[in-house]
Amino acid sequence: NAGVMQNPRHLVRRRGQEARLRCSPMKGHSHVYWYRQLPEEGLKFMVYLQKENIIDESGMPKERFSAEFPKEGPSILRIQQVVRGDSAAYFCASSPREGAEAFFGQGTRLTVV
Amino acid sequence: GESVGLHLPTLSVQEGDNSIINCAYSNSASDYFIWYKQESGKGPQFIIDIRSNMDKRQGQRVTVLLNKTVKHLSLQIAATQPGDSAVYFCAENLFGQNQAGTALIFGKGTTLSVSS
Repeated sequence: NAGVMQNPRHLVRRRGQEARLRCSPMKGHSHVYWYRQLPEEGLKFMVYLQKENIIDESGMPKERFSAEFPKEGPSILRIQQVVRGDSAAYFCASSPREGAEAFFGQGTRLTVV
Repeated sequence: GESVGLHLPTLSVQEGDNSIINCAYSNSASDYFIWYKQESGKGPQFIIDIRSNMDKRQGQRVTVLLNKTVKHLSLQIAATQPGDSAVYFCAENLFGQNQAGTALIFGKGTTLSVSS
C-alpha cells in the first residue's frame, strides 16, 4: 500500500505563472488535508477536502489559491499568479475518515523566482 | 498568533543521552496533543499522542508528558540515537482526535542534533 504521493517534489515557477500541486491519498482514504510550511516554521493548515467537497478552507488565502478533490484522480492545489511569498513546502495528508490517523506525503517544494 | 510554541529552537545531545523537548500551548480547550518528527526533505511522521485526560504516555523509547496546569507538553527520548536527529513538532487538536484537520495546530519545531 503506497503512502501519500505528492508530485512534483520540486516545482519552480516565475512570478505570475500558475502552480499546480498534486496529491494522491493512500488507497481507501477519502479525506485530504493541505498544509503549507515556511522555512523553519511549523505546518499551517490550508484546506480540508473530501471527495468532491471542500469541508473547510479557513486557512486558504482568499485570492489566487484553490483546491479540489475530484471523484476520480488526485487532489489538486492550484496557485494562480504566484508571487515570491508563495515559496514554501506544501504538504498533503490523508485519512480514511474523520478521527483516524492522518498520514503525510513528502511534500512539494515550490520556489518562485 | 499560534497557540502552540516550543521553548528552544535547537537541542544538541550526545548519542546515548536522554533528550527532552518541550512545548507550551496556550489554548486551554485543546484536548489532544501529538508529537511529530520531520526529517530533512520529508513529511511529518507521527511519533506519539496523548489525550488531555492523561498526564503521561509511553511508547518505544519515547514518553510524552502533559501538564495541563501550566499548559506544557514534553517529549522524552531515551538513549538518543543519531537517527533521531530531526525537527520535532508538537501539535494540538481541539477536537480530541488525531486528524490533520482544521484543529491541528503546529508549533515551530525544535531541531534535535545527535552527535556520536
